[in-house]
Amino acid sequence: DTGVSQNPRHKITKRGQNVTFRCDPISEHNRLYWYRQTLGQGPEFLTYFQNEAQLEKSRLLSDRFSAERPKGSFSTLEIQRTEQGDSAMYLCASSTDLTVTDTQYFGPGTRLTVL
Amino acid sequence: GENVEQHPSTLSVQEGDSAVIKCTYSDSASNYFPWYKQELGKRPQLIIDIRSNVGEKKDQRIAVTLNKTAKHFSLHITETQPEDSAVYFCAAISAGGTSYGKLTFGQGTILTVHP
Repeated sequence: DTGVSQNPRHKITKRGQNVTFRCDPISEHNRLYWYRQTLGQGPEFLTYFQNEAQLEKSRLLSDRFSAERPKGSFSTLEIQRTEQGDSAMYLCASSTDLTVTDTQYFGPGTRLTVL
Repeated sequence: GENVEQHPSTLSVQEGDSAVIKCTYSDSASNYFPWYKQELGKRPQLIIDIRSNVGEKKDQRIAVTLNKTAKHFSLHITETQPEDSAVYFCAAISAGGTSYGKLTFGQGTILTVHP
């Protein structure tokens, strides 16, 4: 499968614990996005990378959230001191960077449940 | 920032009927409007998109129309089939300001096609 992959697919954790998710984009896609989707809603933008540079962060991304893309390939999203309100599907997407409107291809997501 | 409103939230049709989903957007700088289909537990998949220099685009049973003056765009599915049942999301990308490359999604429409 040469599409966007995410791991783990499901994560159950207790409130206050730290969690880390991984996203592997489509090979040679320079742009990588993180979105969050809660039940019954559309995905909401969290942050965006152009190669290894994090170029934009949403106000949804509190200080407990951090994302990295150290070598411009895979990315990780860490949530520290998880809260029940963090329970959601975390989606990663990638695209080429020929234009600002290049198609974004989504991964299957990581579903986080905070007990 | 951009705001996308989507209607209806649920849509139920008989197999063979047409389905129409409508979205409005707020940012006049938005110039790319993709539609994603998301089946239960699966990733959002792009089904069709339209750019602001085009008024209509068609791909087999699916068509999208765009009215830039009124800032609304619509998805039309003809000859619906049970496998069209899913959640459909519209989205918009603004080419300017701080929304560079960021998808803003509508709230989603649950389409059910009854055999």
